[in-house]
Amino acid sequence: ETGVTQSPTHLIKTRGQQVTLRCSSQSGHNTVSWYQQALGQGPQFIFQYYREEENGRGNFPPRFSGLQFPNYSSELNVNALELDDSALYLCASSRGGVPTYEQYFGPGTRLTVT
Amino acid sequence: KQEVTQIPAALSVPEGENLVLNCSFTDSAIYNLQWFRQDPGKGLTSLLLIQSSQREQTSGRLNASLDKSSGRSTLYIAASQPGDSATYLCAGVTGFQKLVFGTGTRLLVSP
Repeated sequence: ETGVTQSPTHLIKTRGQQVTLRCSSQSGHNTVSWYQQALGQGPQFIFQYYREEENGRGNFPPRFSGLQFPNYSSELNVNALELDDSALYLCASSRGGVPTYEQYFGPGTRLTVT
Repeated sequence: KQEVTQIPAALSVPEGENLVLNCSFTDSAIYNLQWFRQDPGKGLTSLLLIQSSQREQTSGRLNASLDKSSGRSTLYIAASQPGDSATYLCAGVTGFQKLVFGTGTRLLVSP
């Protein structure tokens, strides 16, 4: 197992609500990336944080936002939830600054929007 | 824009067979390629990381190769076991550490 943890494990929300997902990076890692994985699909990149700054963003609307804290843990916030936001949300941590470092994933948060 | 394709989408084999999973990518300017395993409803477990300067990596019964010029990577699993049953994903890294994933190959190894 990696040292990346995510909470909560499962979450059920209603359309229009807001949700916050959390990720603790592996010791020594300063980069956290978030991915959305719909059923039967490969994960899609949402955004990445490096040393508390957003370092790249995928094709997701602004209602997906994030934060990285001084201890390099991170939050993913999603506002105005839609049914299509139902997915497994994965975070990955790595040593930053160089794109060749291996990335390690957490167990994911399963979000269901009804 | 990097696109990653995995073939086959699903594979069913009897225990003990050697097998090859294929991954192709459109942008040869990748920094590295990573293979992952995903069990149903779970996160991703990193299996092998191949840097762009390398041609292959091995870990136990797993061997992955990378040919940037042809835009292809293969994952070879020797002497498959029922415990190998999972979805296998390949992902290429371009630019800052953004992973671009394929849709995966679902592997079922029967006893």
